[in-house]
Amino acid sequence: GNSVTQMEGPVTLSEEAFLTINCTYTATGYPSLFWYVQYPGEGLQLLLKATKADDKGSNKGFEATYRKETTSFHLEKGSVQVSDSAVYFCALSRSSGSARQLTFGSGTQLTVLP
Amino acid sequence: ETGVTQTPRHLVMGMTNKKSLKCEQHLGHNAMYWYKQSAKKPLELMFVYSLEERVENNSVPSRFSPECPNSSHLFLHLHTLQPEDSALYLCASSQDPSGGYEQYFGPGTRLTVT
Repeated sequence: GNSVTQMEGPVTLSEEAFLTINCTYTATGYPSLFWYVQYPGEGLQLLLKATKADDKGSNKGFEATYRKETTSFHLEKGSVQVSDSAVYFCALSRSSGSARQLTFGSGTQLTVLP
Repeated sequence: ETGVTQTPRHLVMGMTNKKSLKCEQHLGHNAMYWYKQSAKKPLELMFVYSLEERVENNSVPSRFSPECPNSSHLFLHLHTLQPEDSALYLCASSQDPSGGYEQYFGPGTRLTVT
């Protein structure tokens, strides 16, 4: 079956540090891959996505590249800010009938200190 | 109102109560989802509706009963819940199959069962 494995948190960084959150997946076929972010007290927001191998998704300074050879979709940011503190979820999509469904990783808590 | 809204945002109920969670999407999407988010566990997909028809039910206990009267509204009816049902319940919507498969989430209902 499909699954997503994320690095366990929590991750604590100083402002302007480099961020990497690892994500690997197991899936049949060619899933789309996503990173979602959840700020305290809120629902999940789509951060970025990639729909095929070698695609790079990017948004708000975050990037992730769909690597089929390593089945990975690692999230990176060159210089984090305090406002990036949140929980980050890696996810893949699969089809079921007429609806696409998401399989999520367990989430990685990021805290950025000033 | 824009996006996906959920009411109430917080709910405390006893094990013998009956209550309902409401979700409304203002995005013109054709698929809606219920997820359960418990501490330190991956998001669990509970129900999927596409074109108002339930397309998946992930072996959720019968004390949870979904209802999708139209493509914009989704309910989760709750009765005789257990303390382990305390969690954040998230609603999401998407446009399938043409919408790129990303899901848009509401802010969630924080449920506490006493």
